[in-house]
Amino acid sequence: EAEVAQSPRYKITEKSQAVAFWCDPISGHATLYWYRQILGQGPELLVQFQDESVVDDSQLPKDRFSAERLKGVDSTLKIQPAELGDSAMYLCASSFTGGGAGRNYEQYFGPGTRLTVT
Amino acid sequence: GDSVTQMEGPVTLSEEAFLTINCTYTATGYPSLFWYVQYPGEGLQLLLKATKADDKGSNKGFEATYRKETTSFHLEKGSVQVSDSAVYFCALIVSGGYNKLIFGAGTRLAVHP
Repeated sequence: EAEVAQSPRYKITEKSQAVAFWCDPISGHATLYWYRQILGQGPELLVQFQDESVVDDSQLPKDRFSAERLKGVDSTLKIQPAELGDSAMYLCASSFTGGGAGRNYEQYFGPGTRLTVT
Repeated sequence: GDSVTQMEGPVTLSEEAFLTINCTYTATGYPSLFWYVQYPGEGLQLLLKATKADDKGSNKGFEATYRKETTSFHLEKGSVQVSDSAVYFCALIVSGGYNKLIFGAGTRLAVHP
């Protein structure tokens, strides 16, 4: 069964450093999501792509976070500079299409990248 | 705004006990409702879903019924196993948008032999 791939699985970085996460969605999935999950909380959407375009980045801290999906396939989420409060699990998910009803909107999650900022 | 409230954990049960995890929601539109499960060190997996009132989602012995009148989607299982130990998240998507999932805080379940 196809899966969402993420790397690295774990990342430890010092505050003020730059860090990047990579996500490869399920083949054919047009919609890609990045979520942040702080320990003890539910995931919160950071950014959503439809193909290569951002359709929702309302919760993305744009002064330090950036995301891109240049060819509408894989995606990179970057933090620069990292802060202690960025320590969390960063989850990537994909779905066949972002809108509409039915099975096509089901989101499939990757294993996540656990970031620790020291 | 749209939100999901879950009962606080951890929930600790003995094997074969009955499980209920409460979930209520607030939504401006007519949401679809989901339960996701997260096993230690892993990402989220969709457990079950319901897209309209009175629908019952079910999977792996778990069930939840979409109750519009009480804005609830409680998760139940008749007989839990040690392997069910995980964190369970209730979530919703409000129709008409780009299918943004809104999650509850999660409920940790620990099942002991």
